[in-house]
Amino acid sequence: ETGVTQSPTHLIKTRGQQVTLRCSSQSGHNTVSWYQQALGQGPQFIFQYYREEENGRGNFPPRFSGLQFPNYSSELNVNALELDDSALYLCASSLAFAGGAYEQYFGPGTRLTVT
Amino acid sequence: QKEVEQDPGPLSVPEGAIVSLNCTYSNSAFQYFMWYRQYSRKGPELLMYTYSSGNKEDGRFTAQVDKSSKYISLFIRDSQPSDSATYLCAMSFMSNDYKLSFGAGTTVTVRA
Repeated sequence: ETGVTQSPTHLIKTRGQQVTLRCSSQSGHNTVSWYQQALGQGPQFIFQYYREEENGRGNFPPRFSGLQFPNYSSELNVNALELDDSALYLCASSLAFAGGAYEQYFGPGTRLTVT
Repeated sequence: QKEVEQDPGPLSVPEGAIVSLNCTYSNSAFQYFMWYRQYSRKGPELLMYTYSSGNKEDGRFTAQVDKSSKYISLFIRDSQPSDSATYLCAMSFMSNDYKLSFGAGTTVTVRA
């Protein structure tokens, strides 16, 4: 059974640029959630994808968007990067309706730095 | 006011000590409570999950929930240097609600 993987590990971008982060779900999982974790803070829920559709969104502007593919992998896209977007971006995969909210498995994250 | 407040730490304890970690929350609709451990440069991993008020024990870990006071705790007995990590409390409204609300985390160092 493979775990959740994310790429790239680290990324440096300039303010105003666009970025795409990638996540491969744990084998057998069909739901992906994305979280933003600023330094010294807990993860903040961005959105969740189930069956290739957005299935819930946190308090993030529309320039944060995502995709889920038929193989359940996912992308997080952020347009018009701002300095405050610098954070660790985590994805978590789960199997919808098979268990409780706790059964999310997190990847190691992508560290994004915006200069 | 944040939905979930966590004691900020950091905590430094000698090996073998009991570690006590605490979170409070403002929304009484939270029903499910979790504790995650996050090592440096890693994603969070689930330690404990509770629903009812009361205590739940798993090895050296005890999770405590007091819904009337909107307060949760995690106790680590016989702490080991390998327990050195950031501990995050998290909670959700429903069992199948995958949107988790996290505390800011408490960094714990266990000194050998």
